[in-house]
Amino acid sequence: DQQVKQNSPSLSVQEGRISILNCDYTNSMFDYFLWYKKYPAEGPTFLISISSIKDKNEDGRFTVFLNKSAKHLSLHIVPSQPGDSAVYFCAARGGNAGNMLTFGGGTRLMVKP
Amino acid sequence: GAGVSQSPRYKVAKRGQDVALRCDPISGHVSLFWYQQALGQGPEFLTYFQNEAQLDKSGLPSDRFFAERPEGSVSTLKIQRTQQEDSAVYLCASSSRTGYSTDTQYFGPGTRLTVL
Repeated sequence: DQQVKQNSPSLSVQEGRISILNCDYTNSMFDYFLWYKKYPAEGPTFLISISSIKDKNEDGRFTVFLNKSAKHLSLHIVPSQPGDSAVYFCAARGGNAGNMLTFGGGTRLMVKP
Repeated sequence: GAGVSQSPRYKVAKRGQDVALRCDPISGHVSLFWYQQALGQGPEFLTYFQNEAQLDKSGLPSDRFFAERPEGSVSTLKIQRTQQEDSAVYLCASSSRTGYSTDTQYFGPGTRLTVL
């Protein structure tokens, strides 16, 4: 039973355009959501997070949107840069899951110059 | 400052061998997590320590998996009698605060285990 899902395994975007990565979850007890970025042979690197009491959090080129009623969150990257090419993981925490993170399967983003 | 480090980075084991994977968390971090990442999937939780106490081991897939953090800093994940399905990247993460909070988990580079 996958509680966090990223339905797009890959996404290709032109440099300078917007990248939108999506994530859906099923556990309504989750109250904190995070995005991690992963390059090959490295561990995941924290990118941005959002609490369930908010619907938007922005940090530079990165914005995360949360729609609690739809149990959906998205990560927007504007403008996209070739260095953003990586695998992006959505993760959630809270409720009966405690401190552990529950991850989605990841979306590979390719930003073409 | 130094991040989370893990050793070895790569480990090849023959089926049935025992392996030990080490994690050095960020200095002063009280919470430590182990995750398992199979090829093409997201990380999955294995176990959680707060200082030296193992508070959650619900994700350990079998009794062949054992983790310890005896002095509340370095942690070791041990897998006994390895099987081919144990092949994965094992990730360690640490965070600074205790209890349920919005602290960030910082990940190490992982150990890639291949069981032949």
